Amino acid sequence: AQSVTQLDSQVPVFEEAPVELRCNYSSSVSVYLFWYVQYPNQGLQLLLKYLSGSTLVKGINGFEAEFNKSQTSFHLRKPSVHISDTAEYFCAVSDRGTGTASKLTFGTGTRLQVTL
Amino acid sequence: DTGVSQDPRHKITKRGQNVTFRCDPISEHNRLYWYRQTLGQGPEFLTYFQNEAQLEKSRLLSDRFSAERPKGSFSTLEIQRTEQGDSAMYLCASSPGQPGNEQFFGPGTRLTVL
Repeated sequence: AQSVTQLDSQVPVFEEAPVELRCNYSSSVSVYLFWYVQYPNQGLQLLLKYLSGSTLVKGINGFEAEFNKSQTSFHLRKPSVHISDTAEYFCAVSDRGTGTASKLTFGTGTRLQVTL
Repeated sequence: DTGVSQDPRHKITKRGQNVTFRCDPISEHNRLYWYRQTLGQGPEFLTYFQNEAQLEKSRLLSDRFSAERPKGSFSTLEIQRTEQGDSAMYLCASSPGQPGNEQFFGPGTRLTVL
């Protein structure tokens, strides 16, 4: 079984400030890691994913995340946010095994609110 | 745009009625997923198809729920005898075959059961 914990339900931040959204996971098997963003009235969109290799992953819109296996974390960061980054952010994991459904297990989400 | 589409976008129904939702995945994607998202929560997995075969169902999927994917193309999710607790956003996603591939999500169908 897998679980994902996003400790911060809401993160308020001023425009051009840096931000970190935290994600921790628990799994008995190796996993892939994802961050999705959900803008109001839109579907989920992939920001970035970690499959293997370098633990620092760069995604769209200037976001990046770092996989830390010992801390089972995959925190999302952006050095300077914009008003347009206001959205709900979801961390997710899926089983690495071949022949599996690769279904996503999501956290409860973090609402990023960017203000002037 | 040839992304994942879902129909209808909104559905209001009375308790006890049956409802059916449709999902059209990206055409070359053989994997199709249904998720349910309630307010303040992340999406929860409901069921998964590889081509036309339904290979996994969540325990969340009671016997009132049924899903099909005839011919491995579009999929339908039917809820019989709806209950107020079924009110949620129902999301469909598709992906190409390999684990770790991105799942592309549709805009969802918001169900309200009165």
